[in-house]
Amino acid sequence: DVKVTQSSRYLVKRTGEKVFLECVQDMDHENMFWYRQDPGLGLRLIYFSYDVKMKEKGDIPEGYSVSREKKERFSLILESASTNQTSMYLCAARGRDTEAFFGQGTRLTVV
Amino acid sequence: GEDVEQSLFLSVREGDSSVINCTYTDSSSTYLYWYKQEPGAGLQLLTYIFSNMDMKQDQRLTVLLNKKDKHLSLRIADTQTGDSAIYFCAEIRREYGNKLVFGAGTILRVKS
Repeated sequence: DVKVTQSSRYLVKRTGEKVFLECVQDMDHENMFWYRQDPGLGLRLIYFSYDVKMKEKGDIPEGYSVSREKKERFSLILESASTNQTSMYLCAARGRDTEAFFGQGTRLTVV
Repeated sequence: GEDVEQSLFLSVREGDSSVINCTYTDSSSTYLYWYKQEPGAGLQLLTYIFSNMDMKQDQRLTVLLNKKDKHLSLRIADTQTGDSAIYFCAEIRREYGNKLVFGAGTILRVKS
């Protein structure tokens, strides 16, 4: 019954590394999202994509980029990881005006 | 304001009712959602309400929508310890291409 899968539950990376977070959905939904979740701040939208090869900046895109080469896969890229990017990252997918399905999250620690 | 606002914390006794409140921003939102996040887990949709409804009931859950005040609430009847979690309300914000915007979450702690 898995709908949205994130490739890693936990990651530890060094400052300056390039980091890839992968997300795959099996529902054929057009829209996919990357959020980060920090205590007291809730979920903040980093980037979203409404179609293959289409992307839009969310509220906090700085330091991140994304890739959507196939409909089912949406990747979040940290070009040069920094300690302030230590966070829980959540991927979501949804159709038009429907609920969003979330992955289990990736807890990233940058040391 | 720009933000979806929720109170940070709610503590109730087992068996009591819990009411979690949310104020949203986009009067044209077609759907409003409540998500539940249990410790160490991702978010799961708990319930939702369509904007032309005032109330929706689903077993122990009651959602009330006041469109005039842009106020959404979630009532959990007979709250159980398993209801302890973070609850997020969310709206679809049309002005930003239908993106889903979340509140900061309300931590519900149920004391036995």
